[in-house]
Amino acid sequence: EPEVTQTPSHQVTQMGQEVILRCVPISNHLYFYWYRQILGQKVEFLVSFYNNEISEKSEIFDDQFSVERPDGSNFTLKIRSTKLEDSAMYFCASSPELISTNEKLFFGSGTQLSVL
Amino acid sequence: AQKVTQAQTEISVVEKEDVTLDCVYETRDTTYYLFWYKQPPSGELVFLIRRNSFDEQNEISGRYSWNFQKSTSSFNFTITASQVVDSAVYFCALSEPPGNQFYFGTGTSLTVIP
Repeated sequence: EPEVTQTPSHQVTQMGQEVILRCVPISNHLYFYWYRQILGQKVEFLVSFYNNEISEKSEIFDDQFSVERPDGSNFTLKIRSTKLEDSAMYFCASSPELISTNEKLFFGSGTQLSVL
Repeated sequence: AQKVTQAQTEISVVEKEDVTLDCVYETRDTTYYLFWYKQPPSGELVFLIRRNSFDEQNEISGRYSWNFQKSTSSFNFTITASQVVDSAVYFCALSEPPGNQFYFGTGTSLTVIP
């Protein structure tokens, strides 16, 4: 079965540094998402992306965050100046159509970001 | 207010027991979508089921069954004859049209003791 691939699986960075988390969604999918999960807490929506633009974002997704689809396969999340509270598991997800059309989210295995 | 409430934080059962994980949701939309995902110790999120608001049929898949009750805004998940491999965190989630965003509950950590 096709998978959403995320790299790296673990990333350690210093506070204030920029970090880029990478994802390769499933190849024929059109909708892309980032979610995060702070240790022991629920999974939270960050942003959804379609047709090369953000379709929806949460309050968490402030000016420090940006997303990009630089080519036909990658989908990246950039955090410009990391803070301690950015430490979390970041999940990329994709879907072939909008969820309203009877689809589901396909999640990657996540990138564990640790900000020191 | 929480859109999805999973009141059970942790549950432990002995292998072969049945267990029900509760999920209560809140939405003003008449059309919405409900999901269950499993997060095993390895960390990935594994899709289990989707249910649309206009389809109140309950579903059974092997040892898993789901009870969707619009009258009580609940979407409960039952594992029959639990196995050690069922040990995981289970998340209930709600999505509203057009479906860009999932609202996850806080999860229920299930431990099945051999």
